Amino acid sequence: NAGVTQTPKFQVLKTGQSMTLQCAQDMNHNSMYWYRQDPGMGLRLIYYSASEGTTDKGEVPNGYNVSRLNKREFSLRLESAAPSQTSVYFCASSARAPRGQPQHFGDGTRLSIL
Amino acid sequence: GDSVTQMEGPVTLSEEAFLTINCTYTATGYPSLFWYVQYPGEGLQLLLKATKADDKGSNKGFEATYRKETTSFHLEKGSVQVSDSAVYFCALSDQEGGSEKLVFGKGTKLTVNP
Repeated sequence: NAGVTQTPKFQVLKTGQSMTLQCAQDMNHNSMYWYRQDPGMGLRLIYYSASEGTTDKGEVPNGYNVSRLNKREFSLRLESAAPSQTSVYFCASSARAPRGQPQHFGDGTRLSIL
Repeated sequence: GDSVTQMEGPVTLSEEAFLTINCTYTATGYPSLFWYVQYPGEGLQLLLKATKADDKGSNKGFEATYRKETTSFHLEKGSVQVSDSAVYFCALSDQEGGSEKLVFGKGTKLTVNP
């Protein structure tokens, strides 16, 4: 029962470098999400994908891009990393119906940008 | 926009003490309400949920009741254990375009001492 798998688990980057965070789910969920977690801020939504082929901005999308590669995979890209993007990144997925579906989270990627 | 306000803590209790973590929300629609728990180094796990007024969610001895009149969803447990030490997040979702986007409170860290 893998659920939501995120890779890598840890990463250190230098300012200006780029990287892609990978996320895959095996629950046949339509919707997928990317969040960042910062101390004292809770989780904030970066981007989400309601279904394969669609993506939309969340609360804090600046500096990020996403790709919904297929129903299983949803990647997050930092084109030019900045120290302000140091955070823990979580991917999640959920079914679309009925109302009130919970989200299932991966274990996170801990990203440090120097 | 929608928002969630929860008791920030940290909260420190002795084993077998009573726990309450307050959570209130602001929403334009009729949201679903959730409590998630995060153990150290892990992603978030659903603890309980409620999708309509007066619903009570319960799991592992934890309970919360959806109170529309007071816009609250307080988390309670009658007798906490050391293993309950974690960070607890209150969240709401408002289904939009088929996705249940979550809005989180900032989290409450609970430490239970033997």
